[in-house]
Amino acid sequence: GAVVSQHPSWVICKSGTSVKIECRSLDFQATTMFWYRQFPKQSLMLMATSNEGSKATYEQGVEKDKFLINHASLTLSTLTVTSAHPEDSSFYICSARDYHTDTQYFGPGTRLTVL
Amino acid sequence: GQNIDQPTEMTATEGAIVQINCTYQTSGFNGLFWYQQHAGEAPTFLSYNVLDGLEEKGRFSSFLSRSKGYSYLLLKELQMKDSASYLCAAPFSGNTPLVFGKGTRLSVIA
Repeated sequence: GAVVSQHPSWVICKSGTSVKIECRSLDFQATTMFWYRQFPKQSLMLMATSNEGSKATYEQGVEKDKFLINHASLTLSTLTVTSAHPEDSSFYICSARDYHTDTQYFGPGTRLTVL
Repeated sequence: GQNIDQPTEMTATEGAIVQINCTYQTSGFNGLFWYQQHAGEAPTFLSYNVLDGLEEKGRFSSFLSRSKGYSYLLLKELQMKDSASYLCAAPFSGNTPLVFGKGTRLSVIA
């Protein structure tokens, strides 16, 4: 199947710092990528839809100034958590839609811990 | 509106067969997906049904009935490693993100 990579796989940072997470589709072009967050034992929560070359669409309740999304190419989207706080600690997962098969493939996720 | 329902938890015995049901309500229909998610890991794609009927892929099969808004995932010859959450998902419309059910946590016991 299609491969989506995410980097870093885990990160620990101090409160107030910013963290950038990269999501890449390795063997297909993804005009649309999605960013999810998942807290322990809870379901995936969609944060935003990232469209190549245009502004991201954020879900209700997600602060666009705190979670900056950039989708500069057909294979790369980045999520930057700005001024991170302990409550931002979570599992962040990106997914990319394969345009040809209409299937969403997930990256392996990034575990963020904010101290 | 959109709504996806699936049971919260199921338990089955190693070597047995288990069926995980999913009912959905979406505006229009653009396919039904099943994903597997092990604890602490990201979901992995299992199947995508667009047409009615059963699609078999090894030990896993997925069934769809569009008229009933119903799908199930069938797991045969259960193995301990199949213990995971199984997520049913559908796009709200053609180019929108998948809407996920809350997932069914399957425990396979000896």
